[in-house]
Amino acid sequence: DAGITQSPRHKVTETGTPVTLRCHQTENHRYMYWYRQDPGHGLRLIHYSYGVKDTDKGEVSDGYSVSRSKTEDFLLTLESATSSQTSVYFCAISGDKPGQGRSTGELFFGEGSRLTVL
Amino acid sequence: GDSVTQMEGPVTLSEEAFLTINCTYTATGYPSLFWYVQYPGEGLQLLLKATKADDKGSNKGFEATYRKETTSFHLEKGSVQVSDSAVYFCALSSLNNAGNMLTFGGGTRLMVKP
Repeated sequence: DAGITQSPRHKVTETGTPVTLRCHQTENHRYMYWYRQDPGHGLRLIHYSYGVKDTDKGEVSDGYSVSRSKTEDFLLTLESATSSQTSVYFCAISGDKPGQGRSTGELFFGEGSRLTVL
Repeated sequence: GDSVTQMEGPVTLSEEAFLTINCTYTATGYPSLFWYVQYPGEGLQLLLKATKADDKGSNKGFEATYRKETTSFHLEKGSVQVSDSAVYFCALSSLNNAGNMLTFGGGTRLMVKP
């Protein structure tokens, strides 16, 4: 168990409302990621973080913002949710530990947050 | 950019049948290759990996060989079980500022019938 929790696990909201998903880790890993999973598309990277206050865009970042004020928390915000953002969102952390050399290449995933935008 | 293509599912097999799920990739440099598995209602977990050409990754009876000449990383298992029913994702890793940034294929659902 990699010590990743996502909240909420399920959420139904209406178009135009703001939504924040939280990812919390207890592993002290540097890298954290937000992916969305949609049928036929696999997982696509939304945003990622390589340290506190250090974030960057992924493949499908439009309509999303992120924040990382502490090592353990990575927040994903939909400022104004749209129906196209209905998806399952996964948080992941890198298998790297502080001081480790070359990356192992492994990500550990949370259990997902299912978001429905009506 | 990097990309991963895997066979579309669902793949339906009887128990003890042989499994192959095809995966090909496009990448610059020498990526690491992975197979992840997602059981119903859960997140993804690493099944196996290979970090250089001709490496074979193996775990739980599954195997995949990194073939640089054909840019492939096909997943195989000699005898599947009902408990192997899941969605399988092929992925590659390109090291950059994001550490282990993974590019995923679309996933292949495997259904094994008793």
